[in-house]
Amino acid sequence: AQSVTQLGSHVSVSEGALVLLRCNYSSSVPPYLFWYVQYPNQGLQLLLKYTSAATLVKGINGFEAEFKKSETSFHLTKPSAHMSDAAEYFCAVSLGNQGGKLIFGQGTELSVKP
Amino acid sequence: GAGVSQSPSNKVTEKGKDVELRCDPISGHTALYWYRQSLGQGLEFLIYFQGNSAPDKSGLPSDRFSAERTGGSVSTLTIQRTQQEDSAVYLCASSPRAGSNEKLFFGSGTQLSVL
Repeated sequence: AQSVTQLGSHVSVSEGALVLLRCNYSSSVPPYLFWYVQYPNQGLQLLLKYTSAATLVKGINGFEAEFKKSETSFHLTKPSAHMSDAAEYFCAVSLGNQGGKLIFGQGTELSVKP
Repeated sequence: GAGVSQSPSNKVTEKGKDVELRCDPISGHTALYWYRQSLGQGLEFLIYFQGNSAPDKSGLPSDRFSAERTGGSVSTLTIQRTQQEDSAVYLCASSPRAGSNEKLFFGSGTQLSVL
């Protein structure tokens, strides 16, 4: 069965610093991978997704993620954090025969210090 | 509407009562998903609909939970004889079709508190 592990339930960075949120997946078949963001009191919204077209995926708000099959990883990065990036981030996996059902990681709460 | 709409936004109920949670997906979206978000459990898949059919209801925690969708649009999640462990945020999402690489559009959720 597929699963997703996000290392670190809380990450804190200073404004302007690199953001790195870690995600590892387990899947017996090539997965589709997603990062969603949840701002306080809002629903989840898609940041980016990997669908095998390119291993480096660029998303909204300056975020990007790289699919590394050998490491079964899909880490999310942003070169310079903004205060507005403070939110909870979820990595998710979907398989080809499950109708779009997503399996989510536990989430990582990102705090940005001034 | 412009987005996925869920009602009520907050629901407080007493243990043992039944509750109904409603989801209005984006118009034209054929796939609809229910998730539960609770502390310590993250986001758990409950059920999804393709049209009015539910090909996968494997995430429903017990037979107290049921869901239906009518007219390929509105969906209702019903929890019977609520328990305190049912307290959570229930999220609904929709997408144009039930594909593995489809973006899901989420509502803001219903916060359920069982006293």
